[in-house]
Amino acid sequence: DAGVIQSPRHEVTEMGQEVTLRCKLISGHNSLFWYRQTMMRGLELLIYFNNNVPIDDSGMPEDRFSAKMPNASFSTLKIQPSEPRDSAVYFCASSFTPDRNQPQHFGDGTRLSIL
Amino acid sequence: LAKTTQPISMDSYEGQEVNITCSHNNIATNDYITWYQQFPSQGPRFIIQGYKTKVTNEVASLFIPADRKSSTLSLPRVSLSDTAVYYCLVGVGSGGSNYKLTFGKGTLLTVNP
Repeated sequence: DAGVIQSPRHEVTEMGQEVTLRCKLISGHNSLFWYRQTMMRGLELLIYFNNNVPIDDSGMPEDRFSAKMPNASFSTLKIQPSEPRDSAVYFCASSFTPDRNQPQHFGDGTRLSIL
Repeated sequence: LAKTTQPISMDSYEGQEVNITCSHNNIATNDYITWYQQFPSQGPRFIIQGYKTKVTNEVASLFIPADRKSSTLSLPRVSLSDTAVYYCLVGVGSGGSNYKLTFGKGTLLTVNP
């Protein structure tokens, strides 16, 4: 089975531009997590969904960030407008059940650079 | 919220047993402790998970004391390919807005020949 698939793997764009990161969950998984990883702050949970419904978005930095699940197998994380401090590796992860203790399966991330 | 803390780095040699401890003194009552391994340019990969006492699988053991305020990942007989960053993940807080899934900052394990 295919794992969690993220696209693009790398993105470089200028500040002020809109950035959209994409994530395809493992088939049959019901929970979706978005994380941001930086050297200074490590892995931070931004938001997670259970059955397409956002459960905890307290980690979303500010209103410039938004995440959606238009269907059960796909999610987007959007940054508009982007700023240099948003540069990081963004991971999504999925798990089988809406139980926060379930092991999470991570994609290989999107490395985002905002110039 | 209390932090989840781990040593920044550890060094070892091939064939040795390695123990990495994570402190999480504000762990949520019903939450498990989960450990992940991460290689460069890859996402974290699940290693092992437990709630209390000891859990063992084919790659590691996890020791959790009765108060659950810490946990120790044990890797038996490490090899060069075990060089990676290891993270603990726990839920901290008492619930509601006070709850947060939190990764430790990670421990870089370097296995030397």
